[in-house]
Amino acid sequence: AQKVTQAQTEISVVEKEDVTLDCVYETRDTTYYLFWYKQPPSGELVFLIRRNSFDEQNEISGRYSWNFQKSTSSFNFTITASQVVDSAVYFCAPRGGNTNAGKSTFGDGTTLTVKP
Amino acid sequence: EADIYQTPRYLVIGTGKKITLECSQTMGHDKMYWYQQDPGMELHLIHYSYGVNSTEKGDLSSESTVSRIRTEHFPLTLESARPSHTSQYLCASSEGTSGFSSYEQYFGPGTRLTVT
Repeated sequence: AQKVTQAQTEISVVEKEDVTLDCVYETRDTTYYLFWYKQPPSGELVFLIRRNSFDEQNEISGRYSWNFQKSTSSFNFTITASQVVDSAVYFCAPRGGNTNAGKSTFGDGTTLTVKP
Repeated sequence: EADIYQTPRYLVIGTGKKITLECSQTMGHDKMYWYQQDPGMELHLIHYSYGVNSTEKGDLSSESTVSRIRTEHFPLTLESARPSHTSQYLCASSEGTSGFSSYEQYFGPGTRLTVT
């Protein structure tokens, strides 16, 4: 089974600051997938980004970017120029490809508060 | 925009009552999931299904049961509700069949259950 650690329980920033959310995972699978989800105060989880374990190319999508380091089992997520609407709980969710296929393990979540 | 629906959104019910939480999706996804989440906490997988007539228990033991008679419908039933069942229940679906699955999950809005 996967295990995921989101060491930052709560983060508070001022609008327009950049913020990075950390995620460290453990898995025995040789192929796996990594996801970030956002849960705003309304409660509905929304998919943000996905990364395959065999593709370590880091990308930027709008204000979102992610840094996948397979050697350190980290999958960090950065929001550039944060906005108040970014305030939410963010979950990192690895999913095994060999075992537990189809089941994601969710971290404890990081609560991000962006103040105006 | 995800087409996955949950009813009711909020439910307050007395101890001992039988309840069914409804979940439907119109995306034709084979995989469906039920998660239990206390406010601001991690998600716990309680049931999942890889398709019609397929149901499996998740990582968190639950007294609830599920059925999957139709692809689009994945109801969760509690035969006798107890205060310990008070929580938020999230339904999700994703593409792909059993085995490797790189697809993200789409979540419903959740049912907030309170058992008095």
